Formats: sequence, C-alpha cells, structure tokens
Amino acid sequence: AQSVSQHNHHVILSEAASLELGCNYSYGGTVNLFWYVQYPGQHLQLLLKYFSGDPLVKGIKGFEAEFIKSKFSFNLRKPSVQWSDTAEYFCAVNSPLGGGFKTIFGAGTRLFVKA
Amino acid sequence: KAGVTQTPRYLIKTRGQQVTLSCSPISGHRSVSWYQQTPGQGLQFLFEYFSETQRNKGNFPGRFSGRQFSNSRSEMNVSTLELGDSALYLCASSSGTDNSPLHFGNGTRLTVT
Repeated sequence: AQSVSQHNHHVILSEAASLELGCNYSYGGTVNLFWYVQYPGQHLQLLLKYFSGDPLVKGIKGFEAEFIKSKFSFNLRKPSVQWSDTAEYFCAVNSPLGGGFKTIFGAGTRLFVKA
Repeated sequence: KAGVTQTPRYLIKTRGQQVTLSCSPISGHRSVSWYQQTPGQGLQFLFEYFSETQRNKGNFPGRFSGRQFSNSRSEMNVSTLELGDSALYLCASSSGTDNSPLHFGNGTRLTVT
C-alpha cells in the first residue's frame, strides 16, 4: 500500500534560518508529488508540484523541493524562512489507482517561525 | 472563480446519529475527494468521485459513504456516529486528470458527543 512519511512533526526556527522538511514515500510506480501548506485559519493550498523533468522544482514564496527517485524522497526547502511561513506543511503523493487517481498525504509538519 | 464550498462549517451530533456533509466543487471540476483530518493522523483518504462514480475508496468502515450528483456536487454521509468520528472533514476538487492538484474547501468540523 502507498504511504507517505514526513520526518518531523514539529519544527521551530528563527527568522532567516534555513528550512528543510523531509518526505519519503513508498510506491514503485509513476507518481506525482506535491507539497501543500495550511496557514492558520486558512484552507490547504498547493505550494509546489513535481510531475516530470527537472527534479528540482520551485514553488510559491521561495520554496523549492527536490525529487530524488533513488531515495523515494521529495524534501521541501527554503533558504531563509519568515515569520509568515508559520503553517502546517503536508507532503502528498498522487498515483494512478482504480481507473482514477488517489492522493495520499503525510501526517504533516507544523512549522513555527520565531520573529 | 469561486472556490470549493463546504456546508455546514460546524456540526455537533450525538453518538448513534447520522450526518450528511455537502461539497460544491470549483466550476468545471469533475473529481471530488473527501478526507478526514485529525491531529496527529494528518489527512486520511475517504473516497474519490468522478462523474458520479466512485473511483477510489480508503480504508474506512461502511458507515462512511458518499455520492456525487450530475452537477459534480458531492455529499458524504456517516451513519451510526461514534466519538472517534470527531474530526475535520475536507473536500477537495480537481479536474480529475493524473497531475491535477487538489483544491480544498475550508472543511466541516464534526464533533460527536
């Protein structure tokens, strides 16, 4: 069965620190990879996505993620976080299943950025 | 373009009752997925509907069911509610193609007492 594992449940950083959130998935076939973000009081929204091509993808607000196929990983990074990045981040994997597509999410990582 | 709309926003029910949640997808989206979100568990996949047909189902008991109408609106029903069903239920719509991202609503927070 598919699964998505996020390494850290809670991360606390100071502004300007660098961020890396780990994500590993278990599925041997073709996958599409996503990071979603949920800011306090807001709905989940797409941060970035990877389908094919360059394994380093860039998203909104300076975030990027690198797909390493051999490690089944899709880690999220940001060189310098801001207080406004305080949110919960979810890694997700979408793969073909049952004639459609099923998106599985990790448990999420809560990021708190200290001003 | 209007986003995904879920109603109601909050619900309080007692054990044994049933509940129906509603979701209106983004116009033109034919796929609707439902998720249960609880602290520590993240988002658990319930089911996905596309053009009125259930394409995929998660590992939830049969008390959880859903349907999709011809206008792509979807409903989710939970019968014989249990305390453990208390959660935020999220609906997400997409075009239904393989690499289309999900667009989420604000969710319905269900509390079972």
